[in-house]
Amino acid sequence: DGGITQSPKYLFRKEGQNVTLSCEQNLNHDAMYWYRQDPGQGLRLIYYSQIVNDFQKGDIAEGYSVSREKKESFPLTVTSAQKNPTAFYLCASSSGADTGELFFGEGSRLTVL
Amino acid sequence: AQSVAQPEDQVNVAEGNPLTVKCTYSVSGNPYLFWYVQYPNRGLQFLLKYITGDNLVKGSYGFEAEFNKSQTSFHLKKPSALVSDSALYFCAVRDIGGLDSNYQLIWGAGTKLIIKP
Repeated sequence: DGGITQSPKYLFRKEGQNVTLSCEQNLNHDAMYWYRQDPGQGLRLIYYSQIVNDFQKGDIAEGYSVSREKKESFPLTVTSAQKNPTAFYLCASSSGADTGELFFGEGSRLTVL
Repeated sequence: AQSVAQPEDQVNVAEGNPLTVKCTYSVSGNPYLFWYVQYPNRGLQFLLKYITGDNLVKGSYGFEAEFNKSQTSFHLKKPSALVSDSALYFCAVRDIGGLDSNYQLIWGAGTKLIIKP
């Protein structure tokens, strides 16, 4: 089945540690996105990529990094510079950056201990 | 600046009754408008979108939304609610693109819909 796979679903991190969230899609989509979701807030864009080997900062990129070495993969690293990393992270993809119709993964919940 | 407002944090509806989840927007030019649904601890699912044409848009699971340009609204509706419709609903807007656009969606804060048996 085509879709987006995020892993791990739950992750615990100690302060000062970097952690990488995986996102893989087999939809052959060009564009991929990382969002952060906090209770009572809409989705906030962290990074997005419209094509392999290219990505752009979203609204809250500080403390995060990404790579897009393969079309199907868009991992997100939450670095120790992110001061409030506990959140629900959502990866999404779309056939093009201009469609607005996004396909989402099941999310990864990161908790900093 | 572009923005989306979902004025109700929560909407409670009895099963079988019609439901409305409200959304208003502010965007330069003509908007692209979207509704998504999120079930607990899951990703979002696309419901429907308005790009152009008929102001009443039909989507998945019996939902529809009405675009009202004069009121800058895009309310989500369903004639008869089901308990299984209980979820978090997000409205999103995007501009039509162009040199100054990054084509990214602006999201509302979400409305929790509770359908009571």
